[in-house]
Amino acid sequence: KQEVTQIPAALSVPEGENLVLNCSFTDSAIYNLQWFRQDPGKGLTSLLLIQSSQREQTSGRLNASLDKSSGRSTLYIAASQPGDSATYLCAAARRSNDYKLSFGAGTTVTVRA
Amino acid sequence: DTGVSQDPRHKITKRGQNVTFRCDPISEHNRLYWYRQTLGQGPEFLTYFQNEAQLEKSRLLSDRFSAERPKGSFSTLEIQRTEQGDSAMYLCASSFIGTSGAYEQYFGPGTRLTVT
Repeated sequence: KQEVTQIPAALSVPEGENLVLNCSFTDSAIYNLQWFRQDPGKGLTSLLLIQSSQREQTSGRLNASLDKSSGRSTLYIAASQPGDSATYLCAAARRSNDYKLSFGAGTTVTVRA
Repeated sequence: DTGVSQDPRHKITKRGQNVTFRCDPISEHNRLYWYRQTLGQGPEFLTYFQNEAQLEKSRLLSDRFSAERPKGSFSTLEIQRTEQGDSAMYLCASSFIGTSGAYEQYFGPGTRLTVT
């Protein structure tokens, strides 16, 4: 069974600081890993998807890295803004599990103006 | 295409009542997933479909839960005889699975269920 952990559970930073969000998974045989953003009471918005063959993926101020051997992914958000305040979730898919996603509990980020 | 939609967005019901939720996936997606999310937790898998075929039901899904995806288009999730423990956000996601592999899952806005 794939276990996905996100530490810390909550993070507060001043505006302009770079954010580093961590995700660890127990089974390195992942197919891909997705990062999502969730605003309070809302659904999930896909931010980045990293295939198992990739080391990183970038979109604007967001950069996600993947290290399968250590079972870790990191989401970097450059120059944080108050609008980045949300919960960020990572989820891993495995071919052996028919691509169903196993989620972490998320990291809730507050960016202080 | 406007993405995955879910209806209703919120549902308040009394314990013992039946409720039904609907999910409309992205039109060209052949996979549809249902997840459940409780406060402070990540979503947990409930069930999924490949076209109209239901492939798996999680052990989280008791006999009071049933899901359908007629004609491989929209899907419904029904909960019979609701209990307070059913209160959660129910999320639907869709994706495309093909010979070249699996693509990312796109989520709907969710249905927030409150059982009083």
